[in-house]
Amino acid sequence: DTAVSQTPKYLVTQMGNDKSIKCEQNLGHDTMYWYKQDSKKFLKIMFSYNNKELIINETVPNRFSPKSPDKAHLNLHINSLELGDSAVYFCASSAQGNYGYTFGSGTRLTVV
Amino acid sequence: AQSVTQPDIHITVSEGASLELRCNYSYGATPYLFWYVQSPGQGLQLLLKYFSGDTLVQGIKGFEAEFKRSQSSFNLRKPSVHWSDAAEYFCAVATGSSNTGKLIFGQGTTLQVKP
Repeated sequence: DTAVSQTPKYLVTQMGNDKSIKCEQNLGHDTMYWYKQDSKKFLKIMFSYNNKELIINETVPNRFSPKSPDKAHLNLHINSLELGDSAVYFCASSAQGNYGYTFGSGTRLTVV
Repeated sequence: AQSVTQPDIHITVSEGASLELRCNYSYGATPYLFWYVQSPGQGLQLLLKYFSGDTLVQGIKGFEAEFKRSQSSFNLRKPSVHWSDAAEYFCAVATGSSNTGKLIFGQGTTLQVKP
């Protein structure tokens, strides 16, 4: 069983489209995250949720909207996609009192 | 502001040689430090972490790291590198609590292993 699973793994779409990336964890963790890895492999946090509550919302365009229907799921919806949104998006989760994140395998988003 | 610096963008070592990847951090309090490895097309896997106590920590795959407060460093080492160790390595520092904080990553070091 995959601990943190993301779908889709690859996403190619045109500028202006709206797309969603889904993330699910079966570890019973309380906190989930979205990280963006740019073309230079730099990882930066976008959002975190703890028990469905938004905790961290970094300087991210309003076009990005996370949604956590329950503590096992954290989805990322992106409106009006731009070329600069092309990146690898990683979902991660961590348990209460534990900083050891478990990462998903990533979603490579390419905007053309 | 908290930050992590990995001075070496790219390192090449021969298989069987020893390895040291450098990491320097900037953090006001006692840091929680991590090393992650990312194989091509994969997510990040935790190699080891330092919270407190013994400054030499052992991780998976034969890796170890030493926390040196005086040098603000947390360098990763392995005595003998295997070809399968070729990957991207990230050092990270945790900020805030485990529920409300985040990991701040360094820029990463690409490790290439020569046969």
